[in-house]
Amino acid sequence: NAGVTQTPKFRVLKTGQSMTLLCAQDMNHEYMYWYRQDPGMGLRLIHYSVGEGTTAKGEVPDGYNVSRLKKQNFLLGLESAAPSQTSVYFCASRWTPLREAFFGQGTRLTVV
Amino acid sequence: AQSVAQPEDQVNVAEGNPLTVKCTYSVSGNPYLFWYVQYPNRGLQFLLKYITGDNLVKGSYGFEAEFNKSQTSFHLKKPSALVSDSALYFCAVREEDSSYKLIFGSGTRLLVRP
Repeated sequence: NAGVTQTPKFRVLKTGQSMTLLCAQDMNHEYMYWYRQDPGMGLRLIHYSVGEGTTAKGEVPDGYNVSRLKKQNFLLGLESAAPSQTSVYFCASRWTPLREAFFGQGTRLTVV
Repeated sequence: AQSVAQPEDQVNVAEGNPLTVKCTYSVSGNPYLFWYVQYPNRGLQFLLKYITGDNLVKGSYGFEAEFNKSQTSFHLKKPSALVSDSALYFCAVREEDSSYKLIFGSGTRLLVRP
């Protein structure tokens, strides 16, 4: 049982490049989330999904897009990367809002 | 708007002493509260949660948290700290609306001295 898997684990992008971060969970969870973690700011919610085919904006959605075409996958896209998007990105999933969330190992992204 | 605050950036404690990591929250309706721990270069791991029932909640690794509705607090505690408890701790609250968002505090770094 792999839990929540994020791909890739590290990436360096040039300003203006695009990329997609993949989050995959094998626990049949309905709810999935993308967070970014920056020093002194904790985790901030970027986008989330309450089920297959649904997405919604979180606290800091600008510059990011997401898709949930399959229940087990939640993709985070950066269309035109900016240095301000340098961060560690975490994906999380959970079965219901009353249950704990399971987190991936994180993706460390640097935009130069 | 729902929010959670962790007023201390860092907590220092000697091994064997009790520890407390503070968390206060603001929600409309009933709060659903969680504590997570993050070790270096790792994702967050669930410690414990409060949904309803007893105000003292017991969790993993000997941690517990006390829910205080009048003070809107959910402080994390442990009777005897270990050096291995040194990590980053996050308090989180579920938003009381149909979106079911999970909002995190800014985190508190716990440093346990030998």
